[in-house]
Amino acid sequence: AQSVTQLDSQVPVFEEAPVELRCNYSSSVSVYLFWYVQYPNQGLQLLLKYLSGSTLVKSINGFEAEFNKSQTSFHLRKPSVHISDTAEYFCAVSFASGGSYIPTFGRGTSLIVHP
Amino acid sequence: ETGVTQSPTHLIKTRGQQVTLRCSSQSGHNTVSWYQQALGQGPQFIFQYYREEENGRGNFPPRFSGLQFPNYSSELNVNALELDDSALYLCASSLGGTGGNQPQHFGDGTRLSIL
Repeated sequence: AQSVTQLDSQVPVFEEAPVELRCNYSSSVSVYLFWYVQYPNQGLQLLLKYLSGSTLVKSINGFEAEFNKSQTSFHLRKPSVHISDTAEYFCAVSFASGGSYIPTFGRGTSLIVHP
Repeated sequence: ETGVTQSPTHLIKTRGQQVTLRCSSQSGHNTVSWYQQALGQGPQFIFQYYREEENGRGNFPPRFSGLQFPNYSSELNVNALELDDSALYLCASSLGGTGGNQPQHFGDGTRLSIL
């Protein structure tokens, strides 16, 4: 079965420090990659996506992620975090399966930004 | 535009009962996916509906079933509830059916508790 691994369950950082949240997936076949953010008691919101083209994708609030096909990774980075970035972050991969794409989520990384 | 709405927000049931959860998709979206999110875990894909037909299914037993209506709204039905069914159930809508390259728009979920 296809899988998505988020190696860090929690990442504590200080405000204005850089951060990287790691995501690896199991398949080398064609996939679509997403990062979602979830605030307490809310649903998930799309942060950014990689479908094709440039391997570096960026969001409007300063996050970026780089698709690395050889390492089957899609790590999320931000050069300087804010308190408001404290949330749960989920990496998601759509794997081809029998003519359709099955979305698979990692277990999430809790980003905790301290003042 | 109207986002994804789910009802009810909270629900308490006992073992063996049946439950129906409802989801209204975002305006213009023709695909609905359902997820189960246990505490501290990532969303687990239950199934997806595209144009009123089941389009893909995760590793969930047949007592989890669904419907999609002509207006693209959807229901998730769970029979013979078990304690392990306690979770946040998320509905997500998207445009494009089987492609897998469309980001999903999530509702805030229904918190189901089984006593």
